[in-house]
Amino acid sequence: QQPVQSPQAVILREGEDAVINCSSSKALYSVHWYRQKHGEAPVFLMILLKGGEQKGHDKISASFNEKKQQSSLYLTASQLSYSGTYFCGTERTGGSYIPTFGRGTSLIVHP
Amino acid sequence: NAGVTQTPKFQVLKTGQSMTLQCAQDMNHEYMSWYRQDPGMGLRLIHYSVGAGITDQGEVPNGYNVSRSTTEDFPLRLLSAAPSQTSVYFCASRTQGARDIQYFGAGTRLSVL
Repeated sequence: QQPVQSPQAVILREGEDAVINCSSSKALYSVHWYRQKHGEAPVFLMILLKGGEQKGHDKISASFNEKKQQSSLYLTASQLSYSGTYFCGTERTGGSYIPTFGRGTSLIVHP
Repeated sequence: NAGVTQTPKFQVLKTGQSMTLQCAQDMNHEYMSWYRQDPGMGLRLIHYSVGAGITDQGEVPNGYNVSRSTTEDFPLRLLSAAPSQTSVYFCASRTQGARDIQYFGAGTRLSVL
C-alpha cells in the first residue's frame, strides 16, 4: 500500500521554506526521500530509520516519527535547484528491503 | 562502475507484441526491483528480487514476468503488451544494509499502440 504524501504541489519563491509530509497506515522500519527532475531518474536524498531520528543535508532535513508512521521533509531557504518532484518511500517493519513509494509532491521554486 | 543500466531507453510496441526490458547492475547488489511510473501515480512496484533465483510480486505485477538467474541481471518481460502498459519503467538496486541507498536506472519509456 502506497504511503500518502501531502501536499500534492507546492509553489514557492526563492528563499521560502516548505514542508512535505509522508504517512503510512503500516508500522514502518524506514523512510527514504528522493527528488526527481523532469525526464530523469529519482535521486536519493536521505534515509531515516526507526528511532525517531532526524537528518539534514545542506538546507534539506527530515524527521521520522515511527509511532505515528509519519515523516516530514523540510526545505529551508529554497533554491531554484530544489524544483522537482519529491517522493517518499517506506519500508514496513518485517518487510523486504524494497521501498514502496508515494504519489509524489511537485515543488516549483520561482525566482 | 556504470551503476544500474537499463536498455532500451525508448520503445514503441503494438498491442499483443512481447518484449524484454533489460536491467543490469555492477555493484553486486542483492536486491533489485522494477517500478512503473505513470502521471499522478508515483512509482509503483511491479516485481522485486532479494537474490539470484528469488523473485516476488509487488503492487502491480499483472502482465509482467521476471527472473533472476544472476546477481547482475533482472529482466522484465511483457508477454502480450497492452496500451495500459504504456509507462516509464525504472529498475533499481540496493544492498542488504538497512541504511543503504537504492540506486535507480535512467528508465525505459514504453509506448504500446
